[in-house]
Amino acid sequence: QVQLVQSGAEVKMPAASVRVSCKASGYTFTAYYLHWVRQAPGQGLEWMGWINPSSGGTSYAQKFQGRVTMTRDTSISTAYMELSRLRSDDTAVYYCAKVPGAYYFDYWGQGTLVTVSS
Amino acid sequence: DIVMTQSPDYLAVSLGERATINCKSSQSVSPSSNNKNYLAWYQQKPGQPPKLLIYWASTRESGVPDRFSGSGSGTDFTLTISSLQAEDVAVYYCQQYYSTPYTFGQGTKLEIK
Repeated sequence: QVQLVQSGAEVKMPAASVRVSCKASGYTFTAYYLHWVRQAPGQGLEWMGWINPSSGGTSYAQKFQGRVTMTRDTSISTAYMELSRLRSDDTAVYYCAKVPGAYYFDYWGQGTLVTVSS
Repeated sequence: DIVMTQSPDYLAVSLGERATINCKSSQSVSPSSNNKNYLAWYQQKPGQPPKLLIYWASTRESGVPDRFSGSGSGTDFTLTISSLQAEDVAVYYCQQYYSTPYTFGQGTKLEIK
């Protein structure tokens, strides 16, 4: 069965960077794009971007351009999302999500809480 | 960016009754080239990631109970739960995947009356 397992919660200082991992299993990792979506506490869902695990190609939401980097390691079927220059309003649960082709999300990771606080 | 607006923000429905949630996009999410509507619905329970319910506006995801249905086209869409069950208490989101950035509605919180 498809599973996306994310790394654990993080607490970061403002201006620091955070890297969240997403390990995929139960399907061919390189066959489907992975997206990242975040959710601030008590708020809605915000799309951040995607990575093509096959080529490593990426596309980021303009809001995050210059601060986000998505990468992958095909040898361990894992995608990564790094967000730099963290601010307090980056405090959120970050999800990775798989798409089946079109960009709706059929499987989600369990989420990783990133807290930015001094 | 395409803005997705859901109504209502909050909905209370009695068990066994119908629940209807609306979603309106600021521009069409259906290209004339294929007549598909690039609209999905998700259910999110506290402490859990969203769960896909409906895609292409009206196609039910495998394993989703048939009391959930989606309809609409162009800019106006509806999620209907035909007979509300206790386990349907959740926040529901619509999402357009027609153009980047892929945007979500603000969510509708559904509770039991």
